[in-house]
Amino acid sequence: GESVGLHLPTLSVQEGDNSIINCAYSNSASDYFIWYKQESGKGPQFIIDIRSNMDKRQGQRVTVLLNKTVKHLSLQIAATQPGDSAVYFCAETDYSGNTGKLIFGQGTTLQVKP
Amino acid sequence: EPEVTQTPSHQVTQMGQEVILRCVPISNHLYFYWYRQILGQKVEFLVSFYNNEISEKSEIFDDQFSVERPDGSNFTLKIRSTKLEDSAMYFCASSPRQEGAFFGQGTRLTVV
Repeated sequence: GESVGLHLPTLSVQEGDNSIINCAYSNSASDYFIWYKQESGKGPQFIIDIRSNMDKRQGQRVTVLLNKTVKHLSLQIAATQPGDSAVYFCAETDYSGNTGKLIFGQGTTLQVKP
Repeated sequence: EPEVTQTPSHQVTQMGQEVILRCVPISNHLYFYWYRQILGQKVEFLVSFYNNEISEKSEIFDDQFSVERPDGSNFTLKIRSTKLEDSAMYFCASSPRQEGAFFGQGTRLTVV
């Protein structure tokens, strides 16, 4: 069935270190993926996206990697800062659905220690 | 920077009452969505809306739920007879294309 899940519920890192947040998806028809950041009491905030015809995309301090062979998605945050502390969700969508519906994973809490 | 705005930020209602959650999507966006998030859980899709009609809805979106775009700017979610289990954060989102979405800050609905 369709599902998006995360390997670790909580990730704790030292300020300045790099963070890697992982996500597994099971719907092989998914062709567009997004990472969202959610701070306490706020809505999901778009971080970075990637299409299924790519395996890597870089933004400012963030990189998303897509491995379609094993249906795995990861978010790398370079030089993690206290402001990066939040819950991170991966989300997938299937273009064939024609609605843009997003399926979210469970979320990983990132804690940045000063 | 354009953003999705939602009102109210917090709504407390008695079980069985009707509630209307309001959203102003980003101007020029064509696709509109409602999602909900029960405390501590993942974000769940409720409904998508395009070209003035529902394009997809989830199992959660039963007959008690309805959406409207009454004018060119507002997008509303109505729950006709609220239940305790409807307590959650409700997020409105919009997108210019059939991919991705920009979310509002949410309305926290508490049913007592």
